[in-house]
This record gives sequence, C-alpha cells and structure tokens, in this order.
Amino acid sequence: GAVVSQHPSRVICKSGTSVKIECRSLDFQATTMFWYRQFPKQSLMLMATSNEGSKATYEQGVEKDKFLINHASLTLSTLTVTSAHPEDSSFYICSARGQGFGYEQYFGPGTRLTVT
Amino acid sequence: QKEVEQNSGPLSVPEGAIASLNCTYSDRGSQSFFWYRQYSGKSPELIMFIYSNGDKEDGRFTAQLNKASQYVSLLIRDSQPSDSATYLCAVHPGGNTGKLIFGQGTTLQVKP
Repeated sequence: GAVVSQHPSRVICKSGTSVKIECRSLDFQATTMFWYRQFPKQSLMLMATSNEGSKATYEQGVEKDKFLINHASLTLSTLTVTSAHPEDSSFYICSARGQGFGYEQYFGPGTRLTVT
Repeated sequence: QKEVEQNSGPLSVPEGAIASLNCTYSDRGSQSFFWYRQYSGKSPELIMFIYSNGDKEDGRFTAQLNKASQYVSLLIRDSQPSDSATYLCAVHPGGNTGKLIFGQGTTLQVKP
C-alpha cells in the first residue's frame, strides 16, 4: 500500500518552454502533497506544500509564478515549470501524506528534468 | 532554526556486520521520526518510523529514539551489499503543515 506515481519519469525540454509533472496517490487519499527538488549529490529541498483545493504554500526563495502547483483532487497534484531554463534541470520528487495516516510521507519515483 | 544533523559518511562496513546510523535534532518538541533509504538516482523510500522512546524492530532494522538526548539512530543487522545507499533521517517538528525536516543523509557502503 501507499503507492505514489509520477509522470513523466524523464523529460527533456527546450529553454523557454513549460513542463507539467503529475503526482498521483494510487491507493490512498492524500490530504497533503509535497514537492521537492534534488540536485546531484545534494539533499532534498522542499519547494512547496499543497493541500487539496487550496493554494500551495511555497518555501522561501521558490518562485511561485515559475513553479505552478495545482492540487485538484485528493489523489492528484501537478507541478508546472514555466519558462524553463537550464538551471531548472534537476530531479523533481513529489511525496504524499495520507488521510488518517501519521506524518510519514510516501515518495513518488521522481521526474528527471533536463532543459536544453 | 530547526535542524537535523547526520554524519555524511561514507560509513563503510563489511558484509554481515551491524551498521549504525545516527541522527540528532534540535527541536525538543519533535514527536515523529522517520528513516528513509535513497539509492543513487532514485527517490527516498520509507523504511522505519518511531514515535516513542526506546527501540522499534522491523526485520533487520532497529530504530532507536532517545528524546531526552534528542537522538535517533538506525541499526542494520547482517548488512548486505544491497543496503548500500544514502539513509535520510527526517523529523516532524510539530505544527499542522506536515512538513518534515530532513538531514543531509549518511552514505552507507557495505563491502562484500
């Protein structure tokens, strides 16, 4: 149980274009979803927290107009990287906290974004 | 600032030995503690959580919590080369956001 999927697993896009990443909780309802970014050999960096039906809460230094987060249902959250630049190339990982669970987060498999 | 500290390692142990991974946290009000394993190029995977002082065992893994010392550890018995990964300690410091504070991770190498 507690499976989270992400799509796509890998994406290459050109500079200036937008990319949408989907995160789904497959066998539970997620009250809260989290979006992280991880650069090579570095730790996880929390970008934002989203609750179903509410606006996302962004961490300090994360541009909310660049990283658009939508949490439309209890099983789906999306992250759109707008006007991507090469420095946005990274490993983007979502996680979900289940309704009725404790504070543990279950991670999706991640999306590797390369901006050329 | 709430912090979670881990020795980055690498921690190298021979196959079959006990690996001991340690983590300290700064927020004395923290109540929930988690260990994640992350293989290179993959996302983190939850392996243990612990809420109460003492030990919690699950197979070859034992999590230990000492709230008075603000210390949580993970023991891996009979270490296998497949245990080689980065182990992340995470702490929920309280509040309603559900955010976890992650340590930098300890890289474990199990040598055959």
